[in-house]
Amino acid sequence: DAGVIQSPRHEVTEMGQEVTLRCKPISGHDYLFWYRQTMMRGLELLIYFNNNVPIDDSGMPEDRFSAKMPNASFSTLKIQPSEPRDSAVYFCASSFAGLANEQFFGPGTRLTVL
Amino acid sequence: TQLLEQSPQFLSIQEGENLTVYCNSSSVFSSLQWYRQEPGEGPVLLVTVVTGGEVKKLKRLTFQFGDARKDSSLHITAAQPGDTGLYLCAGVSEGFQKLVFGTGTRLLVSP
Repeated sequence: DAGVIQSPRHEVTEMGQEVTLRCKPISGHDYLFWYRQTMMRGLELLIYFNNNVPIDDSGMPEDRFSAKMPNASFSTLKIQPSEPRDSAVYFCASSFAGLANEQFFGPGTRLTVL
Repeated sequence: TQLLEQSPQFLSIQEGENLTVYCNSSSVFSSLQWYRQEPGEGPVLLVTVVTGGEVKKLKRLTFQFGDARKDSSLHITAAQPGDTGLYLCAGVSEGFQKLVFGTGTRLLVSP
């Protein structure tokens, strides 16, 4: 079975542009997580969904960030407008039946905003 | 805000040495996980501990959850170059609604 799939793997864009990151969780998993990782701030939880419903979005930096999960097999994280400080690796992860259970991470999307 | 502080931040050792990584908080967690992340990849789960005082062993790795469920440690015996990576602890708050990752410990084991 395929793991968590993220696209694109790399994204380079200019400041002010809209960026959309995509994630397909493992089939059957009911939790989906979006993380951002930088050297300075480490791995930060941005938002997580349970059964497609956002449960905790307290980690979303500001209104420029939004996330959606229209169905159980797809989620997006959108940044509009993007800024250089948004440059980071963004990970999507999924798990089954609870926060305390194993999370399976995707390979990440490396975002560079010039 | 719940915080998980890991120490040390960086550790560079020779193959065969022992080491301990610490994960500390002032908050109580219902469970705590340890992940290892290699360059260019996402973190991979090593272990989950749920009971205060619990000790789990995974080959040369020993994990302990503090009695008060506020801290944890990871001990590696006879480290090998394959142990190189970023080690992250992650805690789930009581009530199961909050998840937080630690600040990370970057380990380099040289042959």
